[in-house]
Amino acid sequence: AAGVIQSPRHLIKEKRETATLKCYPIPRHDTVYWYQQGPGQDPQFLISFYEKMQSDKGSIPDRFSAQQFSDYHSELNMSSLELGDSALYFCASSLERADGTIYFGEGSWLTVV
Amino acid sequence: AQKVTQAQTEISVVEKEDVTLDCVYETRDTTYYLFWYKQPPSGELVFLIRRNSFDEQNEISGRYSWNFQKSTSSFNFTITASQVVDSAVYFCALSEDNDMRFGAGTRLTVKP
Repeated sequence: AAGVIQSPRHLIKEKRETATLKCYPIPRHDTVYWYQQGPGQDPQFLISFYEKMQSDKGSIPDRFSAQQFSDYHSELNMSSLELGDSALYFCASSLERADGTIYFGEGSWLTVV
Repeated sequence: AQKVTQAQTEISVVEKEDVTLDCVYETRDTTYYLFWYKQPPSGELVFLIRRNSFDEQNEISGRYSWNFQKSTSSFNFTITASQVVDSAVYFCALSEDNDMRFGAGTRLTVKP
């Protein structure tokens, strides 16, 4: 079965640069989530979208923005990168009126040097 | 806001031992979902189980079993006859209205 697809899987950027992560949810899923997992930490919720509209916002820095497009894929844009942004970024998707299961992608490793 | 506590930071067992990972949660909602995810060293989050707040039936899946007790707000996870491949970080999570929050995780090391 199709899973959540994230790209790129690995990314290295320098401080103050910009990075964009892409996410393709499971087909027919209407909700997309972004999580950030720092080294040794649990995943922290950043932001979510339901039917292409932002539905919830967590601890997402102002330097970050995200959107969901008409084809339901989502992008997380990170600007003015800092060393502390180095983390594993997960995208997840779910179907709002289904069983509540949230499926995660394999994650995108961002390293800021 | 909901909260998930995994008091065990690290657990180390020898292969074939049984091990239980604890999870305690807090929520004001009557409708919520509880999850367990496995995160191996490769980093991906592997879905293990989902349980909704109205279903307190315990579940067994192979060597894995889960004990959900609303009276104590706990959703514990037991691995029977552990194997080296079970070594990973295990996260318990609570979702309300599609807002999922994770516990801090328990790092399980199974030694041969």
